[in-house]
Amino acid sequence: GAGVSQSPSNKVTEKGKDVELRCDPISGHTALYWYRQSLGQGLEFLIYFQGNSAPDKSGLPSDRFSAERTGGSVSTLTIQRTQQEDSAVYLCASSLEGTFGYTFGSGTRLTVV
Amino acid sequence: RKEVEQDPGPFNVPEGATVAFNCTYSNSASQSFFWYRQDCRKEPKLLMSVYSSGNEDGRFTAQLNRASQYISLLIRDSKLSDSATYLCVVKGSSNTGKLIFGQGTTLQVKP
Repeated sequence: GAGVSQSPSNKVTEKGKDVELRCDPISGHTALYWYRQSLGQGLEFLIYFQGNSAPDKSGLPSDRFSAERTGGSVSTLTIQRTQQEDSAVYLCASSLEGTFGYTFGSGTRLTVV
Repeated sequence: RKEVEQDPGPFNVPEGATVAFNCTYSNSASQSFFWYRQDCRKEPKLLMSVYSSGNEDGRFTAQLNRASQYISLLIRDSKLSDSATYLCVVKGSSNTGKLIFGQGTTLQVKP
């Protein structure tokens, strides 16, 4: 597609449930990143993919968080047993490897109640 | 200490004013620097890269001072449409392309 597409745009879930967030990067972009932004806070790095592998997953806050990427394209971020502190906007970005022209999707706003 | 620090503001200025934002970073090995703009409830968008020699894009001027580890953004002749949060962004020394974002400085331009 023309831009980075994320779904759902909004998700309300009950504490303890699992959620899956999807990112469809710009076609041809080999690098894919997940960030999250809590209310009034800066962007917090979560994980980086190069192709289907994740050479840097240092930002994942706990083992409840995992992500995968298939076919060098779509990525899914999964949060298990959601907690209220997981409430945030989850942003996905993609870029051509070797450049820093990050393009962000419009994000998924996750609310855990 | 945060890796990238900014004064959160808000900066409230009248139309036509000149306003400057500063940002400091902690990792002296940082390689690349950027300013992103984020509108309310929207995703960040690249405003401009920051080069050691300084660079200008229309009303916007960015400067980098490696010795003092700070970055600045100057906006001249402010427009109402400049109202947004400005994010200072630093690429670390790793080769993953990971960008570290500051918390952002909020600018409100008033008529």
